[in-house]
Amino acid sequence: QVQLVESGGGVVQPGGSLGLSCAASGFTLSSYAMHWVRQAPGRGLEWVAVISYDGRNKDYADSVKGRFTISRDNSKNTLYLQVNSLRGEDTAVYYCAKSGWYQLLYYFDYWGQGTLVTVSS
Amino acid sequence: EIVLTQSPGTLSLSPGERATLSCRASQSVTSNYLAWYQQKPGQTPRLLIYGASSRATGIPDRFSGSGSGTDFTLTISRLEPEDFAVYYCQLYGSSPLTFGGGTKVEIK
Repeated sequence: QVQLVESGGGVVQPGGSLGLSCAASGFTLSSYAMHWVRQAPGRGLEWVAVISYDGRNKDYADSVKGRFTISRDNSKNTLYLQVNSLRGEDTAVYYCAKSGWYQLLYYFDYWGQGTLVTVSS
Repeated sequence: EIVLTQSPGTLSLSPGERATLSCRASQSVTSNYLAWYQQKPGQTPRLLIYGASSRATGIPDRFSGSGSGTDFTLTISRLEPEDFAVYYCQLYGSSPLTFGGGTKVEIK
């Protein structure tokens, strides 16, 4: 069965950085686009970034463009999100999500359990 | 950017009742690229509906989606105790991918 397991969250000061990872299993990672979606405490869902199945194409929400970088290593079945220049409004649970198809901008058919990033001084 | 507005914000119903949730887009949605998710407290979102009306794998047939253009609806024909949750609609096919603000279905 499809499994997505995020790691790397934690408490970081404003302006700091973190590297998030998502280990994928139960499907062929190299066949699908992959996403990061976040949810601030008590709030709704916000799409963050997407990467194509081969890593060549990426897209970001305006709120994180220039600060966050999505990447993947299909040989390691792992998705990454490097988050830099963190702000208080970046505090959220970050979910790794599998695209329903190889296309870049699609729905999410499987989600991980999420990793919490807290930005606080 | 297309904005999705969900209504009502909260729906108070009893088990066995019918739930009708609305998702309205600020512009027409291409190819009915509209999905619905369920999120229970402390849990990860689960895909219910894609393509406005196609049920995802393993989703009970009491869940149905309909609509086109700018107006979409998620209907739960008879609420089961496990259906009380928050529901989100999501637009796909163009950037940015956007979600509605959610509708909470609570026990009356």
